[in-house]
Amino acid sequence: NAGVTQTPKFRILKIGQSMTLQCTQDMNHNYMYWYRQDPGMGLKLIYYSVGAGITDKGEVPNGYNVSRSTTEDFPLRLELAAPSQTSVYFCASSYAGGGLGSSQYFGPGTRLTVL
Amino acid sequence: TQLLEQSPQFLSIQEGENLTVYCNSSSVFSSLQWYRQEPGEGPVLLVTVVTGGEVKKLKRLTFQFGDARKDSSLHITAAQPGDTGLYLCAGAKGGSEKLVFGKGTKLTVNP
Repeated sequence: NAGVTQTPKFRILKIGQSMTLQCTQDMNHNYMYWYRQDPGMGLKLIYYSVGAGITDKGEVPNGYNVSRSTTEDFPLRLELAAPSQTSVYFCASSYAGGGLGSSQYFGPGTRLTVL
Repeated sequence: TQLLEQSPQFLSIQEGENLTVYCNSSSVFSSLQWYRQEPGEGPVLLVTVVTGGEVKKLKRLTFQFGDARKDSSLHITAAQPGDTGLYLCAGAKGGSEKLVFGKGTKLTVNP
């Protein structure tokens, strides 16, 4: 069982470039999340989705966009990359929402550097 | 505003020692989770606690949820080098789809 997969694993972007971080889960989870992790700052929620066609902003959505056309996929789009977006990005999925104590399953992360 | 404060931020101990890390908040949570993250990997769930005063044991790890559901602790007995990692607590409020994460405690267990 693959769980949550993310591609690419590493990427270097130039300022102003765009890219899409891919995330796929094979557990048939309705809930999916994108986080960024900066050194010493824990995980900050960028966007989340409670099902196909439904997305909502998290704590730090500026500079990012998402879409959820299928249950399995939840890509994160960076437009006009900036050095402040240098971070490690994690995708996660869960069967139910956090308020129900549902476990989140994380992918291995994408390490992005913007120069 | 950091809703969940973890302490200490860093902890370096010798193999065989005991340790406790803390996760505190002024807010009430319906559930609280502990994750462990190893370098280059995503966090992995260790435990979920949902009842005030609840204590859960996972081998040498003991987790406690405060009576008022505002704080939690993780105690490790006889730490081993394999316990090295970043320990994150995450809380959820009733009806919310989201988790709020603390900044983590980075534990190093030296052989």
